[in-house]
Amino acid sequence: AQRVTQPEKLLSVFKGAPVELKCNYSYSGSPELFWYVQYSRQRLQLLLRHISRESIKGFTADLNKGETSFHLKKPFAQEEDSAMYYCALIPPPPGGYNKLIFGAGTRLAVHP
Amino acid sequence: GAGVSQSPRYKVAKRGQDVALRCDPISGHVSLFWYQQALGQGPEFLTYFQNEAQLDKSGLPSDRFFAERPEGSVSTLKIQRTQQEDSAVYLCASSHGPRGDLFFGPGTRLTVL
Repeated sequence: AQRVTQPEKLLSVFKGAPVELKCNYSYSGSPELFWYVQYSRQRLQLLLRHISRESIKGFTADLNKGETSFHLKKPFAQEEDSAMYYCALIPPPPGGYNKLIFGAGTRLAVHP
Repeated sequence: GAGVSQSPRYKVAKRGQDVALRCDPISGHVSLFWYQQALGQGPEFLTYFQNEAQLDKSGLPSDRFFAERPEGSVSTLKIQRTQQEDSAVYLCASSHGPRGDLFFGPGTRLTVL
């Protein structure tokens, strides 16, 4: 079945520790991959997309086609990073619009 | 400027009642999407509009769900004869173009008793 898997419902770390939020997908071909974030009492918003190869708020994500993974990493977590993180993709072939498929999400809790 | 707005923010319905959820996209945004987010899950695609045309309704879970965007701006998601399994947060999102950055609304939390 086609799916996006985020194996951890909760990831709890201390401030300054490295963070890796796991995401695996089971689509063939070359999907577009994204990370979305939802801070407490705020809207769901785009964090980063793999085609941009950018670093946002210190987060990076590398697409590994061999392992079909798109893990989100940050070397030193901050308390303000505490939020729900959703991995998402647009399945191939691109339908021409943002028909996003989301994982179930991982809650990141950064403790002081 | 104003972002995507949705109303009501919370809706409690008795089983069997009809409900209507409204989405006001960002002005000028051509593309509009509805997603359903059940408790503890990620958002799931329901339907997509480009202007007033509903180009994809493959995610609507049953024929009790109906969406419209008659003038290519405001959209309404209607659920007839609500069931308990319809309880979820309904998210609306819009983008300038079909592949533009998606901007999400705050969602409507529907609880069916």
